[in-house]
Amino acid sequence: NAGVTQTPKFRVLKTGQSMTLLCAQDMNHEYMYWYRQDPGMGLRLIHYSVGEGTTAKGEVPDGYNVSRLKKQNFLLGLESAAPSQTSVYFCASSPLWGREGGDTQYFGPGTRLTVL
Amino acid sequence: AQRVTQPEKLLSVFKGAPVELKCNYSYSGSPELFWYVQYSRQRLQLLLRHISRESIKGFTADLNKGETSFHLKKPFAQEEDSAMYYCALSGSLTGGGNKLTFGTGTQLKVEL
Repeated sequence: NAGVTQTPKFRVLKTGQSMTLLCAQDMNHEYMYWYRQDPGMGLRLIHYSVGEGTTAKGEVPDGYNVSRLKKQNFLLGLESAAPSQTSVYFCASSPLWGREGGDTQYFGPGTRLTVL
Repeated sequence: AQRVTQPEKLLSVFKGAPVELKCNYSYSGSPELFWYVQYSRQRLQLLLRHISRESIKGFTADLNKGETSFHLKKPFAQEEDSAMYYCALSGSLTGGGNKLTFGTGTQLKVEL
């Protein structure tokens, strides 16, 4: 099993450009999450999904959109990138709450995004 | 509101010395706490959870509700323990899933 994978690993954008980050998991997990990691701020939840076709806002959703058309994929979109979105983005997934391991989140390797 | 505080950005210890990474939390309900670790060039991974009362790689953490703390301890540091450590507090999300509120992390450096 590959676990949680993210593409791309690195990306540099100019202000105003758009892009999509892809997260894929092969563990049949119900829940998926997008976080951003900034120096001195830990990880903050951007958006999450509790199942195929559903998405919801986390702590810092502004400037991002997400979609979960397939259970195994969770896409994070930036419609008009801004320098404030320079960050490392992590995707995570977890099993159904109440199942064994349901309290554990499994993380991808991260995407380092720079917006100039 | 949930909050996790890790007061130390960097903790430097010598190999064989005891380690204590501090974590304090703020939560109105019954907390579920975790330690996640990120080794250099690797992804974030679960180290241990308080509910399991387990020892992983020699690390333990005890939940102290009176002091609202969940400090991570190891009696003898090893070089391979050098990593970034995050304390996290779990809370429920609307519709399911668990929201993790992370602290800002502590970089542990074990020197020879």
